[in-house]
Amino acid sequence: DTGVSQDPRHKITKRGQNVTFRCDPISEHNRLYWYRQTLGQGPEFLTYFQNEAQLEKSRLLSDRFSAERPKGSFSTLEIQRTEQGDSAMYLCASSLARGTTLGGSPLHFGNGTRLTVT
Amino acid sequence: AQSVTQLGSHVSVSEGALVLLRCNYSSSVPPYLFWYVQYPNQGLQLLLKYTSAATLVKGINGFEAEFKKSETSFHLTKPSAHMSDAAEYFCAVSDHSKLVFGAGTILRVKS
Repeated sequence: DTGVSQDPRHKITKRGQNVTFRCDPISEHNRLYWYRQTLGQGPEFLTYFQNEAQLEKSRLLSDRFSAERPKGSFSTLEIQRTEQGDSAMYLCASSLARGTTLGGSPLHFGNGTRLTVT
Repeated sequence: AQSVTQLGSHVSVSEGALVLLRCNYSSSVPPYLFWYVQYPNQGLQLLLKYTSAATLVKGINGFEAEFKKSETSFHLTKPSAHMSDAAEYFCAVSDHSKLVFGAGTILRVKS
């Protein structure tokens, strides 16, 4: 179990630029989640995949955000035309869940990508 | 929708003292509840989870939590705080397909 890995750990970009983050989940996990965490807040759900299918997206995920999980393995989160309000920690997590509900299956988190938009 | 509320954004205890972090939940179905810990610039690490098997749940690092349905609570405790416990703690509830987190409680441990 090598854990969930995220790349890069830190990203500084100028407003209006596009950025892409990568997440490699625990290999046997079928679910992959993206969360956003701002200072003083708990993680907020953005979207999740079951295998390669994106099954749910939060209203927080504006049309500038897009996530993919080709072949049900790693995932990328792209933010286009970044804004200062996008500055946050972006957390990826994976889980092994059966059926449509998460139930008692815990999420295993990576160390996150901290985005700073100047 | 399920939700959790963490009472107290900051808690300060002396080393060796009891740690009590409060979490209340709102759920229309029997809940699955979790506690996570986050150290600076790191992701969240699972401390323990409640899945209805037992109301008193033991986790890692000496932490435990008790599920009380009558009080809709799932408070986290540790008998004796250690300096290494200083971190931010999050309570979460399973909401069908995802976890919903509280706002977090920062635990400070004084020597």
